[in-house]
Amino acid sequence: QITLKESGPTLVKPTQTLTLTCTFSGFSLNTTGVGVGWIRQPPGKALEWLALIYWDDDERYSPSLKSRLTITKDTSKSQVVLTMTNVDPVDTATYYCAHRPPVADIFDSWGQGTLVTVSS
Amino acid sequence: QSALTQPASVSGSPGQSITITCTGTRSDVGSYNLVSWYQQHPGKAPKVMIYEVSKRPSGVSNRFSGSKSGNTATLTISGLQAEDEADYYCCSYAGSSEVFGTGTKVTFL
Repeated sequence: QITLKESGPTLVKPTQTLTLTCTFSGFSLNTTGVGVGWIRQPPGKALEWLALIYWDDDERYSPSLKSRLTITKDTSKSQVVLTMTNVDPVDTATYYCAHRPPVADIFDSWGQGTLVTVSS
Repeated sequence: QSALTQPASVSGSPGQSITITCTGTRSDVGSYNLVSWYQQHPGKAPKVMIYEVSKRPSGVSNRFSGSKSGNTATLTISGLQAEDEADYYCCSYAGSSEVFGTGTKVTFL
């Protein structure tokens, strides 16, 4: 059974750096084709694709946020970390991490999400 | 890279069929057969319903089907049921990244 859980601060001040951790179980990021992605959703708004990292360290980023995002993995800890620099109130959202299976470009298992508020 | 365009809301009666469109560009929907659809109930994480335009993951009802023509993908829900009331999002591969749609709320008339 695949599970993922996001963790990190619930409140961040504008201009600060946000660091979110996704801790997962039930799969390994050493397995060919597997990835973990981050998706966010502002309150009452649509999903937004942020970033994805594959088993082979291939990193993908949303073009509009690429300059502010970094995604890394720690296979030994079964964790993926997303860092977002220079946050703004518009970055207030529920942040989800999700599992990318080897067989398809989808997210087939998701974490519960963590709400991050950016406010001074 | 702009969000894919979906109608804000679609309504139908129980038992009816509804369609949700997802319009992109030649850089995403039009160039790849890698469109997926997600269902999201309030306060819950999304669930994938369709992938690679028309494939259904194991466990997803065959009332859900997908298709694509040009830059527009379509999700069809037949035999609308109470549990189908939710938000639906399309998602497309777009080269080195992916992009979600603007979302569609499905409600009963």
